[in-house]
Amino acid sequence: DAGVIQSPRHEVTEMGQEVTLRCKPISGHNSLFWYRQTMMRGLELLIYFNNNVPIDDSGMPEDRFSAKMPNASFSTLKIQPSEPRDSAVYFCAVKNNSNQPQHFGDGTRLSIL
Amino acid sequence: QKEVEQNSGPLSVPEGAIASLNCTYSDRVSQSFFWYRQYSGKSPELIMSIYSNGDKEDGRFTAQLNKASQYVSLLIRDSQPSDSATYLCAVPVSGGYQKVTFGTGTKLQVIP
Repeated sequence: DAGVIQSPRHEVTEMGQEVTLRCKPISGHNSLFWYRQTMMRGLELLIYFNNNVPIDDSGMPEDRFSAKMPNASFSTLKIQPSEPRDSAVYFCAVKNNSNQPQHFGDGTRLSIL
Repeated sequence: QKEVEQNSGPLSVPEGAIASLNCTYSDRVSQSFFWYRQYSGKSPELIMSIYSNGDKEDGRFTAQLNKASQYVSLLIRDSQPSDSATYLCAVPVSGGYQKVTFGTGTKLQVIP
């Protein structure tokens, strides 16, 4: 069974551009989480979905951030417009029920110039 | 009080020694606990799960849970330089649907 697949692995773009990060979860894992990790703030939960429905988006820092999960096989995190302070590693993680652990993708390293 | 607390370290131990990593949590009804290892530039990787009071051993790793004290620890026996990483404690949030709270992590350095 393939793990969580994130793309792109690295993204470098200029301030003001739109950035779209993608995640393909493990089949059968019905909860999906988007995290941001920086040295200063550690691992922050941005938003999570259960059965494709957003449950908690209180961690989304600003309206510039949005996330969708149109089906069980795909999710996106979009930043528009991007700013240098958005530079971080963004992880997608999944789990399949309440007592089971989360499994992480390899992350997207985002640099906004 | 933070929901999940860890000493940020770094914790330095000599090769071959036992490394002891600690985590305290605030939610008394938590039922499951996880330890992740994160190498620099990599994603968190699950290394141990523990659900019951007591010890759980897996190779050189032992997780210890004390629900009464709201304390979970990870022992690494015969520490190797390859164990040098940041170790994250994770605790599901009760009533949080599927949400998990991560500690800030303890950086472990194993000195050859």
